[in-house]
Amino acid sequence: NAGVTQTPKFQVLKTGQSMTLQCAQDMNHEYMSWYRQDPGMGLRLIHYSVGAGITDQGEVPNGYNVSRSTTEDFPLRLLSAAPSQTSVYFCASSYRAGRAYGYTFGSGTRLTVV
Amino acid sequence: DAKTTQPPSMDCAEGRAANLPCNHSTISGNEYVYWYRQIHSQGPQYIIHGLKNNETNEMASLIITEDRKSSTLILPHATLRDTAVYYCIVRVNFGNEKLTFGTGTRLTIIP
Repeated sequence: NAGVTQTPKFQVLKTGQSMTLQCAQDMNHEYMSWYRQDPGMGLRLIHYSVGAGITDQGEVPNGYNVSRSTTEDFPLRLLSAAPSQTSVYFCASSYRAGRAYGYTFGSGTRLTVV
Repeated sequence: DAKTTQPPSMDCAEGRAANLPCNHSTISGNEYVYWYRQIHSQGPQYIIHGLKNNETNEMASLIITEDRKSSTLILPHATLRDTAVYYCIVRVNFGNEKLTFGTGTRLTIIP
């Protein structure tokens, strides 16, 4: 049981490049989400999904796209990377949407945009 | 969601109980108290949650005051591996899809 797997662990992008951060969970969790964490700050929600085919915006969605074609995968796409998107990105899943307990987080992707 | 206040940092001697306070004076009747922690550079880890009764699991105990305006997370025998940032979160257990992480309490366990 791998839990929540994020790839890559580290990435350096040039301004304007695009890329996809991968997130996969093997726990049959209904709810998945993406957060970003800037230095010295708490986590901020980017996008979330309450099931396959359903996604919605969080508090900082600009510059990011998501899709959820399967229960297991929830990729985050950066359309045109900007230095302001330099951050640590965490994917999280939960058995049931709406529940705030028992979230499982991935180990993070550290992204630097130069 | 109710706002929470936590001290920015605390120290605790290894082997002693670590008591982390959280103030949530505007908590509503249907809002729960959740605790997560984030060990350096890792993703947050769920610890415990409760509504109004005290709760205990294999990781910690949660004490909620009778008026529910504050709570304390207790790590009974702190180890060096408990050094982390601890987040107290208050929200309902349905609907709202966001977990709001503030800046938390940085707990340092001293050998």
